[in-house]
Amino acid sequence: GGIITQTPKFLIGQEGQKLTLKCQQNFNHDTMYWYRQDSGKGLRLIYYSITENDLQKGDLSEGYDASREKKSSFSLTVTSAQKNEMAVFLCASSMAGGYAEQFFGPGTRLTVL
Amino acid sequence: QQKVQQSPESLIVPEGAMTSLNCTFSDSASQYFAWYRQHSGKAPKALMSIFSNGEKEEGRFTIHLNKASLHFSLHIRDSQPSDSALYLCAANSAGNKLTFGIGTRVLVRP
Repeated sequence: GGIITQTPKFLIGQEGQKLTLKCQQNFNHDTMYWYRQDSGKGLRLIYYSITENDLQKGDLSEGYDASREKKSSFSLTVTSAQKNEMAVFLCASSMAGGYAEQFFGPGTRLTVL
Repeated sequence: QQKVQQSPESLIVPEGAMTSLNCTFSDSASQYFAWYRQHSGKAPKALMSIFSNGEKEEGRFTIHLNKASLHFSLHIRDSQPSDSALYLCAANSAGNKLTFGIGTRVLVRP
């Protein structure tokens, strides 16, 4: 089996600050995803990547950048944190994109003061 | 653009009862349908998936798919308190991605 690691676990930022979240997987999966989850609700796709150096925008990409420099890692940057923003950012990976099980990391909880 | 909707938003069931969850999708070209479960404070984890019309059973869990009516469902037989969680349905969309619903929160009362 494999594991997905997300760092940091908790992230507190100031309004307007640029913040970076990191994700590592050792499944050797090709596809990686970043989702945002608000208040125990559903998952909204921010960015995904089907291979190293590939980036695809999801439904919620505005205000975010992403980077996939290695197969095993996928980073997400909040370009300008919004005051009172609070959400959990989940990273996932899968073998074959839209037809395969996605494995999720434990999440990074973001609070913006 | 794929739209996935779940019902009900929340559900309370007594221990031992059947739990039934519903999901509709908008893209008739979708071919892969899945249910995920997320316990409080934990990561979502895949429960079951289906490609073809009909039903698939794994232990206490059964998934039904009806592509013509753009609907699939999850049924949990003999519900246990440990089944209390947020249940997320998902359908595949163009471009190697899944679209998730907003979830149904299930509470199983002992």
